[in-house]
Amino acid sequence: GAVVSQHPSWVICKSGTSVKIECRSLDFQATTMFWYRQFPKQSLMLMATSNEGSKATYEQGVEKDKFLINHASLTLSTLTVTSAHPEDSSFYICSAGVVRATDTQYFGPGTRLTVL
Amino acid sequence: KNEVEQSPQNLTAQEGEFITINCSYSVGISALHWLQQHPGGGIVSLFMLSSGKKKHGRLIATINIQEKHSSLHITASHPRDSAVYICAVRPMGSNYQLIWGAGTKLIIKP
Repeated sequence: GAVVSQHPSWVICKSGTSVKIECRSLDFQATTMFWYRQFPKQSLMLMATSNEGSKATYEQGVEKDKFLINHASLTLSTLTVTSAHPEDSSFYICSAGVVRATDTQYFGPGTRLTVL
Repeated sequence: KNEVEQSPQNLTAQEGEFITINCSYSVGISALHWLQQHPGGGIVSLFMLSSGKKKHGRLIATINIQEKHSSLHITASHPRDSAVYICAVRPMGSNYQLIWGAGTKLIIKP
């Protein structure tokens, strides 16, 4: 099956710094990538949808300037958490969508962000 | 009422038991996903269904579109199956947006 990777798998940073998380589709071209956030013991929450070469569409309540998304190519999307604060500590998951006869979505392994 | 309901919320069973996790939804859908999330967070996509039944190893997923219901079965369960199992549906007319169930936490005891 298709593989989606995320890097880093975990990161610890100081409050006020920016953190970039990469999401790559390894063996297919993803027309659409999604970024999710998951708090402990809760379901995934969609943050934004990004299409290659265009601006991301953010869900209500998600700060665009806080969570910068760049979908530079059909195999790479990045999420940058700017000026991170402890409340941004969470598990961030990306998924990549493939436009085929049966559209499907492949999930990355996630990145655990801890902001001190 | 949530649009996607999973039951049970928690399930503990002995190794070897046959496991069933249920997912009911209230919207028209074009596809339903079953996903597995292990402690530590990584998510694995198990199945995507739009009709009928799929099998992969010891896992079987079924869906009844008319009844708006899907089940995930695990045969000969093993402690390594312990994880959270999540049902997510793609509403009709949506490209990729998913509505997520709350998940079922499964623990298989040796």
